[in-house]
Amino acid sequence: QSVLVQTPSASGTPGQSVNISCSGSSANIGSQTVNWYQQVPGMAPKLLIFGDDHRPSGVPDRFSGSKSGTSASLAISGLRSDDEAEYYCAVWDDSLNGPLFGGGTKVTVL
Amino acid sequence: QVRLVESGGGVVQTGSSLRLSCDASGLMFNAYAMHWVRRPPGKGLQWVAVIWYDGSHQYYADSVKGRFTISRDNSNSVLYLDMNTLRPEDTAVYFCARDRGNSHYFDHWGRGTLVTVAS
Repeated sequence: QSVLVQTPSASGTPGQSVNISCSGSSANIGSQTVNWYQQVPGMAPKLLIFGDDHRPSGVPDRFSGSKSGTSASLAISGLRSDDEAEYYCAVWDDSLNGPLFGGGTKVTVL
Repeated sequence: QVRLVESGGGVVQTGSSLRLSCDASGLMFNAYAMHWVRRPPGKGLQWVAVIWYDGSHQYYADSVKGRFTISRDNSNSVLYLDMNTLRPEDTAVYFCARDRGNSHYFDHWGRGTLVTVAS
């Protein structure tokens, strides 16, 4: 069980919106910025959101990130079939000198 | 164009050793810390190890400490992961990733190489 808790699955039909949550504590999300990654099996993971709510260039504005207290969220609007993937939240752990990953949320486009 | 290409994966027996490589191009390899991250079958992403941009520091997940060694060759832009005393639970796709810096997010990843440890 990961320290960062994500709901295992989420789904929606094309065009709908999906929200993915990532719950932590004051020791992680409450004190570090949150990053989000998308991983399609067989492909390289992709950075979607960094610093809680910043999108790298090339990531559509259909993807947005937010954080409040010890929880963070990734919202996907205008769901598309190619959004079907596993999504992970992550925060840096200074004691580990590495990231903590959430358990992942599998998004299915119905 | 940034490219990270992992290689060296395969099927090995428990207790064996393996060396993974990550060839980097199109990025200032010697300016950034680099990580190995793995994804076991049916599980989520797991951080494995990090090496500072100049190779001066390395840190490991507890699950691999003492068995895995991360290193880099900045003159040839290659990242390595030497894995010893492999266990079935090390079975995973192994990815290399570039650490963007102060905020420690990974902005470039490879497609991974599969390591299978047979019991």
